[in-house]
Amino acid sequence: DQQVKQNSPSLSVQEGRISILNCDYTNSMFDYFLWYKKYPAEGPTFLISISSIKDKNEDGRFTVFLNKSAKHLSLHIVPSQPGDSAVYFCAITDLNGSYKLIFGSGTRLLVRP
Amino acid sequence: GAGVSQSPSNKVTEKGKDVELRCDPISGHTALYWYRQSLGQGLEFLIYFQGNSAPDKSGLPSDRFSAERTGGSVSTLTIQRTQQEDSAVYLCASSLNAYEQYFGPGTRLTVT
Repeated sequence: DQQVKQNSPSLSVQEGRISILNCDYTNSMFDYFLWYKKYPAEGPTFLISISSIKDKNEDGRFTVFLNKSAKHLSLHIVPSQPGDSAVYFCAITDLNGSYKLIFGSGTRLLVRP
Repeated sequence: GAGVSQSPSNKVTEKGKDVELRCDPISGHTALYWYRQSLGQGLEFLIYFQGNSAPDKSGLPSDRFSAERTGGSVSTLTIQRTQQEDSAVYLCASSLNAYEQYFGPGTRLTVT
């Protein structure tokens, strides 16, 4: 049973508009949430994270929102740029164990010029 | 700067053969993780090393998989008697804290 779900395998957005990537999780015990970005033939790179004690974290064009009651996480990118085209993975972890990351299946974002 | 490196970048092997995949973590990072990504899937945790503690092997899919970390640095993931379902990209990550894991480029394993 998937603990982390990214239900949209792909998303296409016009340059300059907002990209919204969504992620749902099942276990309310998890307390730290991350987004990773992956280009082809490269490993994932850390993008932004949020602790369960917050509901929003912002870093430049990237904002992550956490809705604990809905067990829902989203990543907003605004304005979107063609260089943002990549696969985005959400990941969750708990801070009381090995900190292993549990990943969603990813959403492929295409930003059209 | 030196990131996480992995070798080989690609490996094609015949079913039934053993393979070894290598990971060089970022210097000073105490934690090391192995994940794999099968086609169309997310990353799946395999094993975790932290300092001198016993590794967390809870993600290894079968006893054909094993990993070592020598001297708290380089790690080797070994797959014995490879099967076609072992075909995937194997990713190594290292970390200094719990929050950010730095990934290598991966080894693409193809079992024919």
